[in-house]
Amino acid sequence: EIVLTQSPGTLSLSPGERAALSCRASQSITNSYLAWYQQKPGQAPRLLIYGASSRATDIPDRFSGSGSGTDFTLTISRLEPEDFAVYFCQQYGGSLTFGGGTKVEIK
Amino acid sequence: QVQLQESGPGLVKSSQTLSLTCTVSGASISSGGYFWNWIRQHPGKGLEWIGYIFYTGSTNYNPSLKSRLTMPVDTSKNQFSLKLTSVTAADTAVYYCARGSWTQLWSIDFWGQGTLVTVSS
Repeated sequence: EIVLTQSPGTLSLSPGERAALSCRASQSITNSYLAWYQQKPGQAPRLLIYGASSRATDIPDRFSGSGSGTDFTLTISRLEPEDFAVYFCQQYGGSLTFGGGTKVEIK
Repeated sequence: QVQLQESGPGLVKSSQTLSLTCTVSGASISSGGYFWNWIRQHPGKGLEWIGYIFYTGSTNYNPSLKSRLTMPVDTSKNQFSLKLTSVTAADTAVYYCARGSWTQLWSIDFWGQGTLVTVSS
């Protein structure tokens, strides 16, 4: 099973700042089967990025994904008030696993 | 718009079977290119994938839950289900049903709202 480790656990930033969230895999992820989700309190997760770098439908272009192999990054170029939430990465390598999450909070 | 809705008891007694059903609207479970998932989230914690099923009935389960798990599908009702036996307090969680997409490289593109299941002693 591929284990995903997200860092940092919490990111304290101000609106307008840039956020960089890391997701590291215990082994190489085939074909960039890596996705990112945003979750707000009391809500289901929402797909942001699939295939490591492709934005899902209706996702603003301030969200971008990059990386390959074992190291992936979700970048939010300029934080909007609605972006403060928890973010999860997820991989597929025969089965699905999720990272532990990064909370982006208002500084 | 694709919608998924979980239904089932919110309270299950320890050692009994947890049963949930997901009703899909706006899409057909029988359409190719998709896989149908159960995912859970323990209170205040991260996400745990439980398993998925294809419309053909083929399944893939989380190895840690496999011995207690079945996921039947009813294409005539556009529903799929979760049955988890011998539950304990550790199975208390919000349970989501969700659609996965091969064309979006094995990501989860639509989620239900989630339903809290509490296991009581």
